[in-house]
Amino acid sequence: EVQLVESGGGLVQPGRSLRLSCTTSGFTFGDSSMSWVRQAPGKGLEWVGFIKSNTYGGTTEYAASVKGRFTISRDDSKSIAYLQMNNLKTEDTALYYCTKSGRLDYWGQGTLVTVSS
Amino acid sequence: DIQMTQSPSSLSASVGDRVTITCRASQGIRNDLGWYQQKPGKAPKRLIYAASSLQSGVPSRFSGSGSGPEFTLTISSLQPEDFATYYCLQHNSYPYTFGQGTKLEIK
Repeated sequence: EVQLVESGGGLVQPGRSLRLSCTTSGFTFGDSSMSWVRQAPGKGLEWVGFIKSNTYGGTTEYAASVKGRFTISRDDSKSIAYLQMNNLKTEDTALYYCTKSGRLDYWGQGTLVTVSS
Repeated sequence: DIQMTQSPSSLSASVGDRVTITCRASQGIRNDLGWYQQKPGKAPKRLIYAASSLQSGVPSRFSGSGSGPEFTLTISSLQPEDFATYYCLQHNSYPYTFGQGTKLEIK
């Protein structure tokens, strides 16, 4: 069974940093790209970014709203994907989901990030 | 960026009704489109991939069609558990983009 569990969310002040983790099981993590999606309270879904498998260079892509501030990485030895978020803004407040593959076929339950002073 | 225009934004229907939700892509996306269902307090769940392929375990009353620029999700006979919010997603080119969502409510 495919499982994705996000962690690392919490309350953080504007301008600070936070790192989210996505711990996975039930599939060959090293063969899979991984994506992050967020959902602001009461709003729709917003794609955040994507990391390819290392087989395909481990390259990343980001939404314009987070590019230069957020970084996605992966540790294939631990089957974990990360979302490093720097210079956080109040508009980054959202529930953050990690998803398996570029087709977003399986989702975790999300971790809440609240950016507020 | 590719814009996904989803309609309607909300829909009231009754159990047993047939409903259709539409997404229109601003550029060609081949069949790189998925449909997702989200219930309150839950993560989205993929229903359809590659525009018309049914995700394993999803009831056959759900179907997808279209090949660009217009795609549809059809629920052939609404069940009580289908009342939720539905989103389309294009994953043809970066940035990936979602439709605005359709909230399906009980009439």
